[in-house]
Amino acid sequence: GGIITQTPKFLIGQEGQKLTLKCQQNFNHDTMYWYRQDSGKGLRLIYYSITENDLQKGDLSEGYDASREKKSSFSLTVTSAQKNEMAVFLCASSPGTISNERLFFGHGTKLSVL
Amino acid sequence: AQKVTQTQTSISVMEKTTVTMDCVYETQDSSYFLFWYKQTASGEIVFLIRQDSYKKENATVGHYSLNFQKPKSSIGLIITATQIEDSAVYFCAMSLYQGGRALIFGTGTTVSVSP
Repeated sequence: GGIITQTPKFLIGQEGQKLTLKCQQNFNHDTMYWYRQDSGKGLRLIYYSITENDLQKGDLSEGYDASREKKSSFSLTVTSAQKNEMAVFLCASSPGTISNERLFFGHGTKLSVL
Repeated sequence: AQKVTQTQTSISVMEKTTVTMDCVYETQDSSYFLFWYKQTASGEIVFLIRQDSYKKENATVGHYSLNFQKPKSSIGLIITATQIEDSAVYFCAMSLYQGGRALIFGTGTTVSVSP
Protein backbone atom coordinates (compact mmCIF):
# COMPACT_ATOMS: atom_id res chain seq x y z
CA GLY A 1 0.00 0.00 0.00
CA GLY A 2 0.94 3.62 -0.10
CA ILE A 3 -0.06 7.00 1.15
CA ILE A 4 -0.53 10.55 -0.06
CA THR A 5 0.67 13.18 2.36
CA GLN A 6 -0.45 16.76 2.05
CA THR A 7 1.20 19.58 3.96
CA PRO A 8 0.18 21.66 5.71
CA LYS A 9 -3.18 20.34 6.90
CA PHE A 10 -4.36 23.86 7.68
CA LEU A 11 -3.18 27.04 6.01
CA ILE A 12 -4.16 30.54 7.04
CA GLY A 13 -3.09 33.32 4.75
CA GLN A 14 -3.46 37.02 4.19
CA GLU A 15 -5.10 38.64 1.20
CA GLY A 16 -2.65 38.94 -1.68
CA GLN A 17 -0.21 36.47 -0.20
CA LYS A 18 1.46 33.73 -2.25
CA LEU A 19 0.78 30.37 -0.62
CA THR A 20 2.28 26.96 -1.43
CA LEU A 21 0.69 23.58 -0.78
CA LYS A 22 2.70 20.37 -1.02
CA CYS A 23 1.81 16.79 -1.85
CA GLN A 24 3.92 13.65 -1.63
CA GLN A 25 2.95 10.13 -2.72
CA ASN A 26 4.84 6.88 -2.20
CA PHE A 27 2.70 4.75 -4.53
CA ASN A 28 5.16 5.39 -7.37
CA HIS A 29 2.17 6.61 -9.38
CA ASP A 30 2.69 8.42 -12.68
CA THR A 31 -0.17 10.90 -12.56
CA MET A 32 -0.92 13.44 -9.86
CA TYR A 33 -3.77 15.91 -9.51
CA TRP A 34 -4.85 18.98 -7.59
CA TYR A 35 -8.56 19.52 -6.97
CA ARG A 36 -10.32 22.28 -5.10
CA GLN A 37 -13.41 21.52 -3.03
CA ASP A 38 -15.75 24.35 -2.06
CA SER A 39 -18.76 23.70 0.09
CA GLY A 40 -21.61 22.34 -2.02
CA LYS A 41 -19.63 22.51 -5.26
CA GLY A 42 -17.96 19.15 -5.57
CA LEU A 43 -14.37 18.81 -6.72
CA ARG A 44 -12.96 21.00 -9.45
CA LEU A 45 -9.71 20.26 -11.25
CA ILE A 46 -6.93 22.84 -10.98
CA TYR A 47 -3.90 21.06 -12.48
CA TYR A 48 -2.71 17.57 -13.21
CA SER A 49 0.59 16.06 -14.25
CA ILE A 50 1.19 12.76 -16.04
CA THR A 51 4.92 12.66 -15.39
CA GLU A 52 7.80 14.60 -13.89
CA ASN A 53 7.96 18.17 -15.23
CA ASP A 54 4.63 17.79 -17.04
CA LEU A 55 1.72 20.13 -16.27
CA GLN A 56 -1.84 20.10 -17.65
CA LYS A 57 -4.33 22.84 -16.81
CA GLY A 58 -7.76 22.08 -15.46
CA ASP A 59 -10.85 24.28 -15.57
CA LEU A 60 -9.78 26.19 -12.46
CA SER A 61 -6.10 26.87 -13.19
CA GLU A 62 -6.30 30.66 -13.25
CA GLY A 63 -4.76 32.08 -10.09
CA TYR A 64 -2.65 28.98 -9.48
CA ASP A 65 0.76 27.62 -10.45
CA ALA A 66 1.88 24.03 -10.10
CA SER A 67 5.19 22.22 -10.12
CA ARG A 68 6.14 18.54 -10.54
CA GLU A 69 9.88 18.43 -10.04
CA LYS A 70 9.91 14.82 -8.91
CA LYS A 71 7.68 11.87 -9.67
CA SER A 72 6.68 11.61 -6.02
CA SER A 73 5.79 15.24 -5.39
CA PHE A 74 3.39 17.81 -6.77
CA SER A 75 3.10 21.30 -5.36
CA LEU A 76 0.45 23.96 -5.87
CA THR A 77 0.89 27.69 -5.42
CA VAL A 78 -1.94 30.13 -4.89
CA THR A 79 -0.44 33.16 -6.60
CA SER A 80 -2.52 35.78 -4.77
CA ALA A 81 -4.88 34.67 -2.01
CA GLN A 82 -8.36 36.18 -2.18
CA LYS A 83 -9.91 37.75 0.93
CA ASN A 84 -12.41 35.48 2.77
CA GLU A 85 -11.48 32.56 0.51
CA MET A 86 -12.15 29.21 2.13
CA ALA A 87 -11.65 25.88 0.43
CA VAL A 88 -10.13 22.44 0.77
CA PHE A 89 -7.39 21.51 -1.69
CA LEU A 90 -7.15 17.82 -2.45
CA CYS A 91 -4.17 16.08 -3.98
CA ALA A 92 -4.68 12.75 -5.73
CA SER A 93 -2.69 10.27 -7.75
CA SER A 94 -3.34 7.40 -10.17
CA PRO A 95 -1.04 4.58 -11.26
CA GLY A 96 -0.52 5.34 -14.93
CA THR A 97 -1.99 7.53 -17.61
CA ILE A 98 -5.08 5.53 -18.47
CA SER A 99 -8.50 7.09 -18.09
CA ASN A 100 -10.13 4.13 -16.34
CA GLU A 101 -7.83 4.17 -13.33
CA ARG A 102 -9.10 5.02 -9.89
CA LEU A 103 -7.74 7.98 -8.02
CA PHE A 104 -6.18 7.83 -4.57
CA PHE A 105 -6.70 10.97 -2.48
CA GLY A 106 -4.83 12.74 0.26
CA HIS A 107 -6.68 14.14 3.26
CA GLY A 108 -6.58 17.70 2.02
CA THR A 109 -5.26 21.12 2.98
CA LYS A 110 -7.86 23.49 4.39
CA LEU A 111 -7.22 27.06 3.33
CA SER A 112 -8.61 30.16 5.04
CA VAL A 113 -7.74 33.67 3.92
CA LEU A 114 -8.19 36.55 6.32
CA ALA B 1 -18.13 20.08 -22.97
CA GLN B 2 -18.38 17.41 -20.34
CA LYS B 3 -20.59 17.75 -17.31
CA VAL B 4 -21.73 15.62 -14.39
CA THR B 5 -24.90 16.49 -12.49
CA GLN B 6 -26.17 15.18 -9.17
CA THR B 7 -29.51 16.79 -8.39
CA GLN B 8 -30.16 15.15 -5.04
CA THR B 9 -28.49 17.22 -2.35
CA SER B 10 -29.27 14.90 0.54
CA ILE B 11 -31.04 11.62 1.27
CA SER B 12 -32.02 10.14 4.64
CA VAL B 13 -32.66 6.43 5.07
CA MET B 14 -33.07 3.91 7.84
CA GLU B 15 -30.38 1.36 8.51
CA LYS B 16 -30.62 -1.93 6.59
CA THR B 17 -32.70 -0.40 3.79
CA THR B 18 -31.69 0.41 0.21
CA VAL B 19 -30.70 3.86 -0.98
CA THR B 20 -30.52 4.96 -4.61
CA MET B 21 -28.88 8.13 -5.81
CA ASP B 22 -28.92 9.65 -9.27
CA CYS B 23 -26.28 11.02 -11.59
CA VAL B 24 -26.57 12.23 -15.17
CA TYR B 25 -23.65 13.11 -17.39
CA GLU B 26 -23.01 14.92 -20.65
CA THR B 27 -20.35 14.06 -23.18
CA GLN B 28 -19.96 13.90 -26.95
CA ASP B 29 -17.49 11.05 -26.67
CA SER B 30 -18.55 7.48 -27.34
CA SER B 31 -16.15 5.95 -24.83
CA TYR B 32 -15.90 7.06 -21.25
CA PHE B 33 -15.67 5.80 -17.70
CA LEU B 34 -18.03 6.56 -14.82
CA PHE B 35 -17.01 6.39 -11.17
CA TRP B 36 -18.51 6.74 -7.74
CA TYR B 37 -16.47 7.97 -4.79
CA LYS B 38 -17.35 8.30 -1.12
CA GLN B 39 -16.23 11.12 1.18
CA THR B 40 -16.52 10.36 4.88
CA ALA B 41 -17.01 12.88 7.66
CA SER B 42 -13.25 12.93 8.23
CA GLY B 43 -12.80 14.18 4.68
CA GLU B 44 -11.28 10.99 3.34
CA ILE B 45 -12.28 10.22 -0.27
CA VAL B 46 -12.28 6.61 -1.43
CA PHE B 47 -13.14 4.95 -4.72
CA LEU B 48 -16.21 2.71 -4.68
CA ILE B 49 -17.08 1.42 -8.14
CA ARG B 50 -16.59 2.02 -11.88
CA GLN B 51 -18.69 1.50 -15.01
CA ASP B 52 -17.12 1.37 -18.47
CA SER B 53 -19.36 2.89 -21.13
CA TYR B 54 -18.89 -0.03 -23.55
CA LYS B 55 -20.09 -2.59 -21.01
CA LYS B 56 -23.81 -3.33 -20.89
CA GLU B 57 -23.67 -5.20 -17.61
CA ASN B 58 -24.10 -3.08 -14.48
CA ALA B 59 -21.05 -3.08 -12.21
CA THR B 60 -21.41 -4.53 -8.70
CA VAL B 61 -18.95 -4.47 -5.81
CA GLY B 62 -20.06 -5.74 -2.42
CA HIS B 63 -23.24 -3.93 -1.45
CA TYR B 64 -22.72 -1.25 -4.11
CA SER B 65 -24.24 -1.62 -7.55
CA LEU B 66 -24.84 0.64 -10.50
CA ASN B 67 -27.86 1.29 -12.66
CA PHE B 68 -26.32 2.27 -15.99
CA GLN B 69 -28.79 3.63 -18.53
CA LYS B 70 -26.69 4.76 -21.46
CA PRO B 71 -29.54 6.14 -23.62
CA LYS B 72 -30.47 8.42 -20.71
CA SER B 73 -26.83 9.27 -19.88
CA SER B 74 -27.56 8.13 -16.37
CA ILE B 75 -25.50 6.23 -13.80
CA GLY B 76 -27.26 5.63 -10.52
CA LEU B 77 -25.62 4.21 -7.39
CA ILE B 78 -27.55 1.69 -5.31
CA ILE B 79 -26.48 0.76 -1.81
CA THR B 80 -28.28 -2.22 -0.33
CA ALA B 81 -28.50 -3.20 3.34
CA THR B 82 -27.21 0.21 4.41
CA GLN B 83 -25.15 0.60 7.56
CA ILE B 84 -24.49 3.61 9.74
CA GLU B 85 -20.98 3.75 8.24
CA ASP B 86 -22.51 4.41 4.82
CA SER B 87 -23.36 7.93 5.99
CA ALA B 88 -21.19 10.08 3.75
CA VAL B 89 -21.12 12.30 0.69
CA TYR B 90 -21.19 10.36 -2.57
CA PHE B 91 -19.65 11.82 -5.71
CA CYS B 92 -20.27 10.71 -9.26
CA ALA B 93 -17.41 11.34 -11.71
CA MET B 94 -16.55 10.82 -15.37
CA SER B 95 -13.39 10.54 -17.41
CA LEU B 96 -12.98 10.28 -21.15
CA TYR B 97 -11.21 7.50 -22.99
CA GLN B 98 -9.43 10.03 -25.17
CA GLY B 99 -8.42 13.61 -24.69
CA GLY B 100 -8.35 15.17 -21.22
CA ARG B 101 -8.18 12.26 -18.86
CA ALA B 102 -8.77 13.84 -15.50
CA LEU B 103 -11.97 13.14 -13.61
CA ILE B 104 -14.89 15.56 -13.74
CA PHE B 105 -16.95 15.40 -10.56
CA GLY B 106 -20.56 16.09 -9.69
CA THR B 107 -21.50 18.17 -6.65
CA GLY B 108 -22.24 15.20 -4.43
CA THR B 109 -25.17 13.69 -2.55
CA THR B 110 -25.13 13.53 1.25
CA VAL B 111 -26.53 10.27 2.61
CA SER B 112 -27.56 9.98 6.24
CA VAL B 113 -28.28 6.51 7.61
CA SER B 114 -30.25 6.36 10.87
CA PRO B 115 -30.50 3.40 13.26
